[in-house]
Amino acid sequence: GQQVMQIPQYQHVQEGEDFTTYCNSSTTLSNIQWYKQRPGGHPVFLIQLVKSGEVKKQKRLTFQFGEAKKNSSLHITATQTTDVGTYFCAGLRGGSNYKLTFGKGTLLTVNP
Amino acid sequence: DSGVTQTPKHLITATGQRVTLRCSPRSGDLSVYWYQQSLDQGLQFLIQYYNGEERAKGNILERFSAQQFPDLHSELNLSSLELGDSALYFCASSARDRQFFGPGTRLTVL
Repeated sequence: GQQVMQIPQYQHVQEGEDFTTYCNSSTTLSNIQWYKQRPGGHPVFLIQLVKSGEVKKQKRLTFQFGEAKKNSSLHITATQTTDVGTYFCAGLRGGSNYKLTFGKGTLLTVNP
Repeated sequence: DSGVTQTPKHLITATGQRVTLRCSPRSGDLSVYWYQQSLDQGLQFLIQYYNGEERAKGNILERFSAQQFPDLHSELNLSSLELGDSALYFCASSARDRQFFGPGTRLTVL
C-alpha cells in the first residue's frame, strides 16, 4: 500500500533558527497536504499543494511539492515558540478513493 | 474550533469492554473519517464514510466497526478492548479534499 515517510521524527531548535521537515511518498500523489498539531490539540489543516513543483508561502512557512509529485517539504524561517507542535504531511492518491495517508509527523520544539 | 464535534472527550474502561465514540461532522460535510493516534504509530486511518456509505477502509481491526447515520453523525464502536487500544481517536470531516479534525476522544483501557 501507499506509504508516506517523514523526516526527521524530532527537531529541537533555538528560537530564531530555521526548520525543515521532509516528506516522501512511495507513489505519485494527486496532492499533498500539511497539518499542524499543537501539543494536546488536534491536527489543523495548513495548506494543500496540487501542481508539480508548486511552492506556496504563508508568512514564515514555505511549502514545496516536488516535480515528480512524490515529495514535499515544509520550511519555517526564524522559528518562534508559537511554532511548537507536530507537523504532518498527508498524501492523497488520485482516483475515487479519497483516503489521505499521513506521515508520522515531525515534532518541533523551540527553545526560547 | 473546526466545527467537528466528538464525544466523549475522555473514556476510561477495562479490557474486554465495548465503547462507542460519537462524531458530528461540520454542517454540510458529507464525509466522515476516523483515525487512531498513538505515540508510536502516528495518525492511522481507520475508515471513511460518505453520506451514510462506507467509502474506504484502512487499518481497522475486526473488533472495530463504524457507521454513519442519516443525519450524518457517525459512531465508532470498539469491542473486546485491549490495552493496546488505548489511544486518541479523531474524527474528521472534509470539504474539497482538506480535512477538519474534531477535538478527539482519549480512550484509556486499564
